[in-house]
Amino acid sequence: DAKTTQPPSMDCAEGRAANLPCNHSTISGNEYVYWYRQIHSQGPQYIIHGLKNNETNEMASLIITEDRKSSTLILPHATLRDTAVYYCIVTRRSGGYQKVTFGTGTKLQVIP
Amino acid sequence: EAGVAQSPRYKIIEKRQSVAFWCNPISGHATLYWYQQILGQGPKLLIQFQNNGVVDDSQLPKDRFSAERLKGVDSTLKIQPAKLEDSAVYLCASSLDTISGTQEETQYFGPGTRLLVL
Repeated sequence: DAKTTQPPSMDCAEGRAANLPCNHSTISGNEYVYWYRQIHSQGPQYIIHGLKNNETNEMASLIITEDRKSSTLILPHATLRDTAVYYCIVTRRSGGYQKVTFGTGTKLQVIP
Repeated sequence: EAGVAQSPRYKIIEKRQSVAFWCNPISGHATLYWYQQILGQGPKLLIQFQNNGVVDDSQLPKDRFSAERLKGVDSTLKIQPAKLEDSAVYLCASSLDTISGTQEETQYFGPGTRLLVL
């Protein structure tokens, strides 16, 4: 399994960009990078995913390095509601089905 | 669009008792997942269904945990008998289908059931 490494915690000032790094140095060519977040007492919520190109949606941007060994999730203007645990996941295929392994994630604290 | 529904939201039982959790996925979603999340850890996959068939139950403690998904729609997860270490949040998720890299692989999670075993 391609494992991911994330810092356990980060702080970000409200209104500033939050840049959350993720290392996935053993990723294979057909494995995707997904990001989810989990706000306290809720189930995880999908944010964004990508293979090798940078991606952007209404929630965030995903920057994947050219060698695909790391990525960064960018929340352009963090708000207090973005305080959550952010999970970087590499999905793999096994027996024709998606396999997902969650790590411990990064706890992002947005500070007023 | 209705999300993933789970019940109950909270459950307190004594060790050696049995408990069951229910999940109703998003309509039309073929894949259903049950996760266990212990406090301070990420979710751990217990079992994954594709329609009504099991595709992965490698981390399910089969001596005490069981799950079924009749008719390929809703699902139940049962623990019998419960142990203290089963105290956790049990999350259900669903996805449209497991097609690599498409939006259909996105998992949608329910609010979870918080279990406390005394």
